Amino acid sequence: GQNIDQPTEMTATEGAIVQINCTYQTSGFNGLFWYQQHAGEAPTFLSYNVLDGLEEKGRFSSFLSRSKGYSYLLLKELQMKDSASYLCAHEEGNNRLAFGKGNQVVVIP
Amino acid sequence: DTGVSQDPRHKITKRGQNVTFRCDPISEHNRLYWYRQTLGQGPEFLTYFQNEAQLEKSRLLSDRFSAERPKGSFSTLEIQRTEQGDSAMYLCASSLGTGGERGYGYTFGSGTRLTVV
Repeated sequence: GQNIDQPTEMTATEGAIVQINCTYQTSGFNGLFWYQQHAGEAPTFLSYNVLDGLEEKGRFSSFLSRSKGYSYLLLKELQMKDSASYLCAHEEGNNRLAFGKGNQVVVIP
Repeated sequence: DTGVSQDPRHKITKRGQNVTFRCDPISEHNRLYWYRQTLGQGPEFLTYFQNEAQLEKSRLLSDRFSAERPKGSFSTLEIQRTEQGDSAMYLCASSLGTGGERGYGYTFGSGTRLTVV
């Protein structure tokens, strides 16, 4: 089921670092995804973790601990365009994503 | 590759009317998904196709909802006798194999925003 938890909103200053956490429960884990969604737009793929550890992609990094059912997304050197909702999702049954509610990040000057 | 296209972007309809949405996936993607998203929530899975076969339907997909993908390319989602609770963003996504197999996830369209008045 959709047992996936994220905090709802945070505000951060341009140039700062933010960490968005996600906890999940699932009987069959096939990977953890992070998506970015600007208001009124499509979710866009940011990262995918299937093994424990940190995956780094430019300013964004994602971490996974399967034993703890926990992931985080790290956004560095925040820019105004990073103001968006960040969604974590785990893949269920090899055929669909179960999303959390998303975390709204607001970047201020 | 122009991404996943959805049409229309916005639809306002009166309660009780039927509506149909269209999704054109990325051409080489064999899997197509429909999700629904309401304000402040993440997308919720509705149904998915592998080629033309509809392989799974969520219990969210009531009898008033029907989806087709007749030739394994574009898909339509029809809602009959719309209700105000159907107001949401309907998102389509596509993938080649499972989202994780190539590590690039599922590609979403911009959605159709439905408002039932």
